[in-house]
Amino acid sequence: DAGITQSPRHKVTETGTPVTLRCHQTENHRYMYWYRQDPGHGLRLIHYSYGVKDTDKGEVSDGYSVSRSKTEDFLLTLESATSSQTSVYFCAIRLADNYEQYFGPGTRLTVT
Amino acid sequence: AQSVTQLDSQVPVFEEAPVELRCNYSSSVSVYLFWYVQYPNQGLQLLLKYLSGSTLVKGINGFEAEFNKSQTSFHLRKPSVHISDTAEYFCAVSGVGTSGSRLTFGEGTQLTVNP
Repeated sequence: DAGITQSPRHKVTETGTPVTLRCHQTENHRYMYWYRQDPGHGLRLIHYSYGVKDTDKGEVSDGYSVSRSKTEDFLLTLESATSSQTSVYFCAIRLADNYEQYFGPGTRLTVT
Repeated sequence: AQSVTQLDSQVPVFEEAPVELRCNYSSSVSVYLFWYVQYPNQGLQLLLKYLSGSTLVKGINGFEAEFNKSQTSFHLRKPSVHISDTAEYFCAVSGVGTSGSRLTFGEGTQLTVNP
């Protein structure tokens, strides 16, 4: 599983509240990613990081921000959660010597 | 920019039958190609990958895929499926040298193996 954990694994929150999801890795990988998975859309990239304090937007970044203050942690924040952000969120890492990505177990977020 | 189209959203088959899950891609640069499998309520697991070299790649669980550059396809095959292969399968592409080496996924194909 490439040493990736996500927390929390499940969360229910109300519209308008801030939410932070955490991705933690233990193997010092440089690249980390946040995706969301929705029926009929596959996985879509939200943000990614290519090093400490180095991040960039993906295809569905509106309403999300990220931070990476140390190599092992990549945080995804929903500043003010909306019902359209109800989804399953996956974190991934990329191996240094090729383009393979390995995924965490996911966080199921429900915004009511 | 790159995109992936999985041509079948659902594929029902009987146990021990062969199966092919179809994937077409588009990209303005050379690509790396991947197939992932997702079992119910689990994360994604890498099934196989094409980076370079032989166009026929073998993966875990008896799956294989063939990269066809002229047809921009990367179809996944298994000669004889088992009940345990029931899962959702995702094709993904990454453009070589693109920013962040991001993956673009298809919408997924639900493979259901019936007894």
